[in-house]
Amino acid sequence: GNSVTQMEGPVTLSEEAFLTINCTYTATGYPSLFWYVQYPGEGLQLLLKATKADDKGSNKGFEATYRKETTSFHLEKGSVQVSDSAVYFCALSDRNNAGNMLTFGGGTRLMVKP
Amino acid sequence: NAGVMQNPRHLVRRRGQEARLRCSPMKGHSHVYWYRQLPEEGLKFMVYLQKENIIDESGMPKERFSAEFPKEGPSILRIQQVVRGDSAAYFCASSPRGHENTEAFFGQGTRLTVV
Repeated sequence: GNSVTQMEGPVTLSEEAFLTINCTYTATGYPSLFWYVQYPGEGLQLLLKATKADDKGSNKGFEATYRKETTSFHLEKGSVQVSDSAVYFCALSDRNNAGNMLTFGGGTRLMVKP
Repeated sequence: NAGVMQNPRHLVRRRGQEARLRCSPMKGHSHVYWYRQLPEEGLKFMVYLQKENIIDESGMPKERFSAEFPKEGPSILRIQQVVRGDSAAYFCASSPRGHENTEAFFGQGTRLTVV
């Protein structure tokens, strides 16, 4: 079956530090990959996505590259801000499934201190 | 264009009562997904519905849980005879198509507490 593994948190960084959140996946098919962000008390918002190998998704300074050879989709940002504090979820969608059901990792809480 | 609307935001039920969670998808979206998030865990898929049809309910517990998405009105996730272990955040997502790389838009969730 499909699964997503991401690094456990919390990750605590100072403002302007470099961020990496690791994500690896297992999929029976050829998935699309996503990063979602959840701010306190809110639902999930799509941060970025990639649909095929070597694609790079990017948004708001965040980037992630679809690495088929290492089955990874690590999230990076060069300089984090306090406003980036949230929980980040890596997810995949398997085109062998009907619809767009997502398999999520356990989430990584990021705390950015001023 | 309003986003995905879920209500109530918070729901408290005593053990043995019924919980009804509602989800109105974004306008023009006919695909609805329900997910459950247990404390400090990721989201787990429960059920996928299109109008009047259940497409995939492989993540739904076989007892006490049911879902519907009628022709008119919101999608409903119903939990009968709730137990403490049902306490969680329940999120609904909608998309305009069922394609695997179509963005799914999430509601703010319903936080169910069973006392």
